Amino acid sequence: QKEVEQDPGPLSVPEGAIVSLNCTYSNSAFQYFMWYRQYSRKGPELLMYTYSSGNKEDGRFTAQVDKSSKYISLFIRDSQPSDSATYLCAMNLAGTYKYIFGTGTRLKVLA
Amino acid sequence: EPEVTQTPSHQVTQMGQEVILRCVPISNHLYFYWYRQILGQKVEFLVSFYNNEISEKSEIFDDQFSVERPDGSNFTLKIRSTKLEDSAMYFCASTFMGAGTEAFFGQGTRLTVV
Repeated sequence: QKEVEQDPGPLSVPEGAIVSLNCTYSNSAFQYFMWYRQYSRKGPELLMYTYSSGNKEDGRFTAQVDKSSKYISLFIRDSQPSDSATYLCAMNLAGTYKYIFGTGTRLKVLA
Repeated sequence: EPEVTQTPSHQVTQMGQEVILRCVPISNHLYFYWYRQILGQKVEFLVSFYNNEISEKSEIFDDQFSVERPDGSNFTLKIRSTKLEDSAMYFCASTFMGAGTEAFFGQGTRLTVV
């Protein structure tokens, strides 16, 4: 079983749609969770950072963590063509310095 | 807004040659990292560095790799004798504190080994 699983997509949605992106993980010792956006051949750009179960909102983005189910989500409201990118989840294992990344989900928002 | 900068953006090198990838982390950050991403694959951790020491490294980070903070601003990754399979995007990242804090990434150096 992979440590972090993420559907690679691509996920195509019309402009203005609500997008739901998800990751599951196997190790309950993961404590800190991040979502990154990555455009082609660019570096990951930090979107959201959370460390507790529940929701965190920032503008059009909402991050949700359910530690009991080992499941995290990123919701994008009013999606725009400029949101078209690969979305990476990343998580930190307690007691380590490294971040474990999912494979990323490719999102296409169609105008 | 502060950012992590990396140079060069693209490096082509011959197999067996040494390369040095350079990074300038965010100025008040204390922890520094290198990750790599082979084309089409996920971002993988290589090494973390704090207080002039490696704090953690992955299995990928073997004796061919080394890191250094030669001065107060730069952080470098050296690959001593490059192999074809070292071709990847290499990302530098930094955090203010250590494990579990927000990690900010540079735009990457695309390394092509021919």
